[in-house]
Amino acid sequence: DTGVSQDPRHKITKRGQNVTFRCDPISEHNRLYWYRQTLGQGPEFLTYFQNEAQLEKSRLLSDRFSAERPKGSFSTLEIQRTEQGDSAMYLCASSLSYGDSINIQYFGAGTRLSVL
Amino acid sequence: QKEVEQDPGPLSVPEGAIVSLNCTYSNSAFQYFMWYRQYSRKGPELLMYTYSSGNKEDGRFTAQVDKSSKYISLFIRDSQPSDSATYLCAMSGNQGGKLIFGQGTELSVKP
Repeated sequence: DTGVSQDPRHKITKRGQNVTFRCDPISEHNRLYWYRQTLGQGPEFLTYFQNEAQLEKSRLLSDRFSAERPKGSFSTLEIQRTEQGDSAMYLCASSLSYGDSINIQYFGAGTRLSVL
Repeated sequence: QKEVEQDPGPLSVPEGAIVSLNCTYSNSAFQYFMWYRQYSRKGPELLMYTYSSGNKEDGRFTAQVDKSSKYISLFIRDSQPSDSATYLCAMSGNQGGKLIFGQGTELSVKP
């Protein structure tokens, strides 16, 4: 178990370009979450999946953002037509949810996006 | 007004001091309360997890939840320089749902 893995760690792009981030959760974790964190702020929820089903999306997730989790394993977060305001740390977390068990979200190290 | 309010600090204390970190919240539906620690350029890591009201202790860390006041605290005893990090409170209304985070408090423990 190597923890939640995110790739790339850093991404620099020009305004208007599309970017895609990948998250590999802890194996056998059925829930996967995406958050966004800007400097000096706590993480803000974007969306989450149970297996391959996307269960909730934040109003922060504009139509330029899309997330997928094919086959319920890894997930991708794509941002189309990036804007400077998209510059942030994008965090992925995963958890194992079953019955009444305590559901702990384990976070990856994040992907830092800079839009020039 | 944000759902979760947390003093951003920064907070600077000498080694060995007792540290008190606090959050207030407005949503009475929150039942699960967590404290995460985040080092620079790293993801948050879970420190404490509490369900409903009460106290929970783990080594030098004690978490308190007062639902009647909508107030949670984290106490760190015998603080160490390695405790220097940003501390984030987080809450959820249901198991496995989204977490709502505070702004984070930046703590520095000086040797």
